[in-house]
Amino acid sequence: GEDVEQSLFLSVREGDSSVINCTYTDSSSTYLYWYKQEPGAGLQLLTYIFSNMDMKQDQRLTVLLNKKDKHLSLRIADTQTGDSAIYFCALDSSNTGKLIFGQGTTLQVKP
Amino acid sequence: ETGVTQSPTHLIKTRGQQVTLRCSSQSGHNTVSWYQQALGQGPQFIFQYYREEENGRGNFPPRFSGLQFPNYSSELNVNALELDDSALYLCASSTDSGSRYEQFFGPGTRLTVL
Repeated sequence: GEDVEQSLFLSVREGDSSVINCTYTDSSSTYLYWYKQEPGAGLQLLTYIFSNMDMKQDQRLTVLLNKKDKHLSLRIADTQTGDSAIYFCALDSSNTGKLIFGQGTTLQVKP
Repeated sequence: ETGVTQSPTHLIKTRGQQVTLRCSSQSGHNTVSWYQQALGQGPQFIFQYYREEENGRGNFPPRFSGLQFPNYSSELNVNALELDDSALYLCASSTDSGSRYEQFFGPGTRLTVL
């Protein structure tokens, strides 16, 4: 089945850029997603990228997709303390809304 | 517009008991998906309901079952609870089934099985 891997923890200084990485095994997903989860809250869709794109920019967020290496990344520019959260990449290999999530990367932003 | 709501917020049960979790979908949404998130893990897909019918199921045993009502709210039922069922249960609703429709998540129900 589909496997989605993420590193577990990232610590950055406020104002630096953060890069969260994700690798996956099945490349049939039309969309690839990044979700954010804050303590006590549900998941919030941050951004997504079509599988036929290499890059998508959305304000402070940049998503890069390398389909050859099956690698997805999320770059957050000018990281703020409010960006501290768990970030999940997710795929939908059946394109039916059945999301497959990675383990999540905890982003710690130090002032 | 009211978002996705779930009840109860927290629940404590003992092994072997049964539990029902509830989800009210966002207005205009006909699709509800349920996910189980164990501590320190990503959410795992349990099943999806589309227009009151089950529309896909993940790798969960039959003791996990669900319903969707005419107003598109949904229930998740778990029978014969096991310790490993302790998790955050998330529901998500969308305007239709399929990957191009954004899923809006509720805050979850934290289930503890003792």
